[in-house]
Amino acid sequence: DTAVSQTPKYLVTQMGNDKSIKCEQNLGHDTMYWYKQDSKKFLKIMFSYNNKELIINETVPNRFSPKSPDKAHLNLHINSLELGDSAVYFCASSQAQKSTEAFFGQGTRLTVV
Amino acid sequence: AQSVAQPEDQVNVAEGNPLTVKCTYSVSGNPYLFWYVQYPNRGLQFLLKYITGDNLVKGSYGFEAEFNKSQTSFHLKKPSALVSDSALYFCAVRDQAGTALIFGKGTTLSVSS
Repeated sequence: DTAVSQTPKYLVTQMGNDKSIKCEQNLGHDTMYWYKQDSKKFLKIMFSYNNKELIINETVPNRFSPKSPDKAHLNLHINSLELGDSAVYFCASSQAQKSTEAFFGQGTRLTVV
Repeated sequence: AQSVAQPEDQVNVAEGNPLTVKCTYSVSGNPYLFWYVQYPNRGLQFLLKYITGDNLVKGSYGFEAEFNKSQTSFHLKKPSALVSDSALYFCAVRDQAGTALIFGKGTTLSVSS
């Protein structure tokens, strides 16, 4: 069983479209995250949710909206896609304690054309 | 603010030789430090972490890391490199609130046969 799974793995779409990326974890973790990895491989936290509550909302355009229907799911919806949104988006989860590691999904490669 | 620095973009070693991937950190309070590895087109895999206790931490795939408080470093090491160790390595630290992992820019390890 995949611990953190995200779909789709690849997403190619036109500018201006709206798209969603889904994430599910079966580890029983309290906290879930979205990270963005750019073309230079830099990893940057976008959002963090703990028990369905938003904890972190970094400097991310409000076109990006996370939604957590329950503790096991954290979906990312993106409105009005722009060329600069092209990146790999990673979902991750962990227990709430500082000492715990995060487990990452395989990533979604988003290409906006 | 918590941060980590990886001073080398790339590290090249010959198979069978020891390897070191460097990481320094800047934190307020106790450091919670992590190493991850990313293979091409894959998600991040957890290797090891330092929370407290022994300064030498052992992890997956024969990797270990040495925590040095006076030098604020957490270097990743392996006594004998394998070609299959070639990948992108990230050092990370928990942010002060413990709500997310903050990653370094990554170091590409290339092991030649």
